[in-house]
Amino acid sequence: GQNIDQPTEMTATEGAIVQINCTYQTSGFNGLFWYQQHAGEAPTFLSYNVLDGLEEKGRFSSFLSRSKGYSYLLLKELQMKDSASYLCAVVDSNYQLIWGAGTKLIIKP
Amino acid sequence: ETGVTQTPRHLVMGMTNKKSLKCEQHLGHNAMYWYKQSAKKPLELMFVYSLEERVENNSVPSRFSPECPNSSHLFLHLHTLQPEDSALYLCASSQEGADPFNEQFFGPGTRLTVL
Repeated sequence: GQNIDQPTEMTATEGAIVQINCTYQTSGFNGLFWYQQHAGEAPTFLSYNVLDGLEEKGRFSSFLSRSKGYSYLLLKELQMKDSASYLCAVVDSNYQLIWGAGTKLIIKP
Repeated sequence: ETGVTQTPRHLVMGMTNKKSLKCEQHLGHNAMYWYKQSAKKPLELMFVYSLEERVENNSVPSRFSPECPNSSHLFLHLHTLQPEDSALYLCASSQEGADPFNEQFFGPGTRLTVL
């Protein structure tokens, strides 16, 4: 079966750095998405990786290793507004999105 | 209006009621999706419409009935639901065939409670 694993919940301190991991086992791979979802709101696109390596976009970076079936989202200089759920999703060989359950990130002052 | 909108935002219904959820996208996309989001579970894809034709139906109970009258509008008709159907129902749209990927844009969701 297809599976996406990410931690259920993480806590970090304002101003710090946090890394949210995602591991996947899917039938094929055509890219990996990270979405951010604030409570009661729509998921919004953060990043897309299809090649190995690190993609940097401001305070957020996303890393992919296809050989390891592994990705992480790195958030720097954490702000209170970064408190949200972070969803990892993989595009499989049929171009279907397989979603993880999301990681709830709690930022403390 | 911009992006993807959904109405109502909140809905409480009894098991014998019939109601409909509405989604509208203002992005010119050609594909629309219904997802179910339950607490601490992955997003569950329910239905996919591409060019107004249903291309995906992931073993969803018949008490959920989708309708896509045109590429901008998507409905989810609900009848004789069960309490376990209580969840956040998200609509999304994308442009299929977009290179290099078809990012999905989500609406804010309808929080459904079945009593």
